[in-house]
Amino acid sequence: NAGVTQTPKFRILKIGQSMTLQCAQDMNHNYMYWYRQDPGMGLKLIYYSVGAGITDKGEVPNGYNVSRSTTEDFPLRLELAAPSQTSVYFCASSYTSGGNYEQYFGPGTRLTVT
Amino acid sequence: GESVGLHLPTLSVQEGDNSIINCAYSNSASDYFIWYKQESGKGPQFIIDIRSNMDKRQGQRVTVLLNKTVKHLSLQIAATQPGDSAVYFCAEGDTDKLIFGTGTRLQVFP
Repeated sequence: NAGVTQTPKFRILKIGQSMTLQCAQDMNHNYMYWYRQDPGMGLKLIYYSVGAGITDKGEVPNGYNVSRSTTEDFPLRLELAAPSQTSVYFCASSYTSGGNYEQYFGPGTRLTVT
Repeated sequence: GESVGLHLPTLSVQEGDNSIINCAYSNSASDYFIWYKQESGKGPQFIIDIRSNMDKRQGQRVTVLLNKTVKHLSLQIAATQPGDSAVYFCAEGDTDKLIFGTGTRLQVFP
């Protein structure tokens, strides 16, 4: 299994541009998550999904959108990039059953908005 | 809201010594806790987890201790090695998601 994959690894955006961060998992996990991590800080939850067709806001959803049309994919959309969205973005997935919350993380996408 | 936090932002230990990383949580109803290790430039990796019906759980060179009375969680690393240098996060389960603490950086010096 490839686990959780993310593309691209790096991206530089100009203010106001849009982009989609891709995330895919091949573990048949029902839950998927998007986090952002600012330098020297912890993980902040942006959006998450408990299954195909279902998404929920996390702690910091403003400026982002998500969709979950399949179990495998969970793309994150930035519509109007702002410097405050400069961060490292991590996607994660889990098979949450019986109170098991272990999440598997992708390698991250480093985004710079200038 | 509920939060998970850490006492020490940076911990420096000598190679071969034991390391103890602490974490305080505030939701007394949490029944699941987990530790992650994050190396520079990588995503977090699972280390060990523990349920609230346990006080202690051991893995390979790592032990997690849970004190529900004072809502405290700790990660002990035995015989710390240079490869243990990383940021360590604790997190607690909250329905469908995890709530992460801010992290502790572990530095191992020879």
